[in-house]
Amino acid sequence: DTEVTQTPKHLVMGMTNKKSLKCEQHMGHRAMYWYKQKAKKPPELMFVYSYEKLSINESVPSRFSPECPNSSLLNLHLHALQPEDSALYLCASSQDLTYQPKGYTFGSGTRLTVV
Amino acid sequence: AQTVTQSQPEMSVQEAETVTLSCTYDTSENNYYLFWYKQPPSRQMILVIRQEAYKQQNATENRFSVNFQKAAKSFSLKISDSQLGDTAMYFCAFNCSNDYKLSFGAGTTVTVRA
Repeated sequence: DTEVTQTPKHLVMGMTNKKSLKCEQHMGHRAMYWYKQKAKKPPELMFVYSYEKLSINESVPSRFSPECPNSSLLNLHLHALQPEDSALYLCASSQDLTYQPKGYTFGSGTRLTVV
Repeated sequence: AQTVTQSQPEMSVQEAETVTLSCTYDTSENNYYLFWYKQPPSRQMILVIRQEAYKQQNATENRFSVNFQKAAKSFSLKISDSQLGDTAMYFCAFNCSNDYKLSFGAGTTVTVRA
């Protein structure tokens, strides 16, 4: 299995809602990432997990809350989002945090719209 | 900090012809990896080709090849025999050994015309 699977593919939520994005990989990768991508822009790193522990938080607002329940699963919990948070949210994984000669493997993303 | 520059926001190419995308980067490190990712309208970021900095030989993957000039810090991507399915945004990316961060360029939108 050489895939990163993200669900849901599309999500529309109100500013008072609570929702979660899910990411799963079965490649034995030990590092997992959340990225935010606006249209026609490169992805921006949000969080990095290594061996199921949060290693990097790129100064992301607390309305985004990541969780890594096990080595294959990564969640992003959303609460009280703003319309400007509407974007494509990409999950990625790599062999290791500091050794990734094959780069990242990305999922196909969740298109989030906040209304 | 590493920076990656893609100076061509958009490029258009006729089907079956060749197009070259430019990428330059800035780093003081000696060991690193370079990547080209493709992101079609379907959204998934797909790894097209990668290059280890210590390898002098340019990487090739079917119709995709790179011209890696380490001294000039240049890493261009050539797409030969362009196909309609090559229409996508292409990102050049840099990763330094022993670092978690993947630094992306601004991207180049490639449109293949029938």
